[in-house]
Amino acid sequence: QKEVEQDPGPLSVPEGAIVSLNCTYSNSAFQYFMWYRQYSRKGPELLMYTYSSGNKEDGRFTAQVDKSSKYISLFIRDSQPSDSATYLCAMAKGAQKLVFGQGTRLTINP
Amino acid sequence: NAGVMQNPRHLVRRRGQEARLRCSPMKGHSHVYWYRQLPEEGLKFMVYLQKENIIDESGMPKERFSAEFPKEGPSILRIQQVVRGDSAAYFCASSPGDSNQPQHFGDGTRLSIL
Repeated sequence: QKEVEQDPGPLSVPEGAIVSLNCTYSNSAFQYFMWYRQYSRKGPELLMYTYSSGNKEDGRFTAQVDKSSKYISLFIRDSQPSDSATYLCAMAKGAQKLVFGQGTRLTINP
Repeated sequence: NAGVMQNPRHLVRRRGQEARLRCSPMKGHSHVYWYRQLPEEGLKFMVYLQKENIIDESGMPKERFSAEFPKEGPSILRIQQVVRGDSAAYFCASSPGDSNQPQHFGDGTRLSIL
């Protein structure tokens, strides 16, 4: 079993839809949770960074962490074609050695 | 551009040659991390370095791979006697000196082995 499981998709939704991306994990020692966005041939770009459980909102993006269920989510509201990318969840015990999910390929259709 | 700088962006080597990948962290960052991304797979941690010290190399293959972050200059990931299976995208990330700050990534070096 992988430490972090993420549905690779691909996921295709119409412009303006609410997108929900999810990861599950098995290591209860993880304390730091991140979402990165990666465009083709580019490096991962940090979107959200949270510590422990709870919600965090930044513009159209909301990250949720449920440590009791070992489940994290990223919601994108009012999705735009420019949001089309691969979304990577990542987590760590001490924010140094990140463990990544496989990534979900998302396409927003105009 | 104050971001993480990696070079070269693309590197082609023949089997048995050496590959050297360079990474300059963001300004003010003293921690460097290397990750490898194989086709259709997620990023895998390789090594975590601070200036002149290797902190965690638990993800490094036991042979042919080495990393350094000297007092002056960029961090170097070195792969000796490359094989076809080393073909991948290698990403460097950096973070500030205080602990538990998020990592910011460069755009990677795409290594192709002929």
